[in-house]
Amino acid sequence: GAVVSQHPSWVICKSGTSVKIECRSLDFQATTMFWYRQFPKQSLMLMATSNEGSKATYEQGVEKDKFLINHASLTLSTLTVTSAHPEDSSFYICSAPRRLDGYTFGSGTRLTVV
Amino acid sequence: EDQVTQSPEALRLQEGESSSLNCSYTVSGLRGLFWYRQDPGKGPEFLFTLYSAGEEKEKERLKATLTKKESFLHITAPKPEDSATYLCAVQGGGTSYGKLTFGQGTILTVHP
Repeated sequence: GAVVSQHPSWVICKSGTSVKIECRSLDFQATTMFWYRQFPKQSLMLMATSNEGSKATYEQGVEKDKFLINHASLTLSTLTVTSAHPEDSSFYICSAPRRLDGYTFGSGTRLTVV
Repeated sequence: EDQVTQSPEALRLQEGESSSLNCSYTVSGLRGLFWYRQDPGKGPEFLFTLYSAGEEKEKERLKATLTKKESFLHITAPKPEDSATYLCAVQGGGTSYGKLTFGQGTILTVHP
């Protein structure tokens, strides 16, 4: 149980375009979703926290206008990278609290901006 | 500020050769210490949560232990399919809900 489905698995986009990443909780309701970024051979860094029906909370140094987060339902949270640039290329992962303990993660999205 | 340091960075084992991975942490009021397994190009897979010093949890060939300063992930008689990056993370009492601080990970390779 507690499965988070993340799509797409990978995406290549041109510089200046926007990309949307979706995370769905399949067998539970995720009132909260966390969005992480992981650069090659580096650790996961929390970018923002989304809560269903309210504005997302961003970590220090994360541009809220570039990384738009929407959590419109109890099963879907989206991250849109706007006006993407090559430095936004990274591995983006979502996470939701598990029923009993810990956090369950999506399978990740590899974004490459060319 | 919460900090997590994992060692070694990389570990190569022969199949059946038991070993341990270390996770040292500093945190203001530990809410939980988490172990995850991450395969290349995939999201982390949950393994264990430990909440207090002295706690131990086991799952198949893995056993996680916790002290006030560090956690160990013991791997008994590993198999090639145990090859992955193992991540340790903490959630401190001074941080907002759900904010995990991750270590850099230990890349484990098990040779047949």
